[in-house]
Amino acid sequence: AQSVAQPEDQVNVAEGNPLTVKCTYSVSGNPYLFWYVQYPNRGLQFLLKYITGDNLVKGSYGFEAEFNKSQTSFHLKKPSALVSDSALYFCAVRDPTGGGNKLTFGTGTQLKVEL
Amino acid sequence: GAVVSQHPSWVICKSGTSVKIECRSLDFQATTMFWYRQFPKQSLMLMATSNEGSKATYEQGVEKDKFLINHASLTLSTLTVTSAHPEDSSFYICSALIDTQYFGPGTRLTVL
Repeated sequence: AQSVAQPEDQVNVAEGNPLTVKCTYSVSGNPYLFWYVQYPNRGLQFLLKYITGDNLVKGSYGFEAEFNKSQTSFHLKKPSALVSDSALYFCAVRDPTGGGNKLTFGTGTQLKVEL
Repeated sequence: GAVVSQHPSWVICKSGTSVKIECRSLDFQATTMFWYRQFPKQSLMLMATSNEGSKATYEQGVEKDKFLINHASLTLSTLTVTSAHPEDSSFYICSALIDTQYFGPGTRLTVL
């Protein structure tokens, strides 16, 4: 069975500082990994994904994530946070060998960027 | 590209009535769509996988007769909450699959 853990319910960071939102995963095969962002009362917006290839994946709005197979992690990062980045972030995993097209989501991390 | 819409964005209904939510892929065709439910400050719970032209696949614990899913075309899937009760009040989100799941903006259902 596939699973995702987001160990932090909330991350606070000052505007202009780098941010990291943590995600670890568990799958039986090679994972497909995703990050989505959700603003209040809205659906999820796709940020980036890792399927194969370069471990550092660049996505929308200046976000990037690094796939680390040995640590089974896929942390989301941004060099300089903006107040407008404040939102709920979800990490998700898909196991193409066992789980088909289904995504399993983490519990979400609330990012708060303050002036 | 890859825009998914949902209608309505919010709905309030009386207990015992049925509510239909539409999910449309606007600029692409999707053989597969998904329906999720999200409770306040919680993650998304997959309810069912909707496949065009065939029956939906429901996740364990989701009542098929209560949450009717129809995927009659490659751009439209509908979720009907039948005989709605207050405990069905939630945020319902759909997604459409091409290479990645792209999500709709969600529908807030409140059952009085």
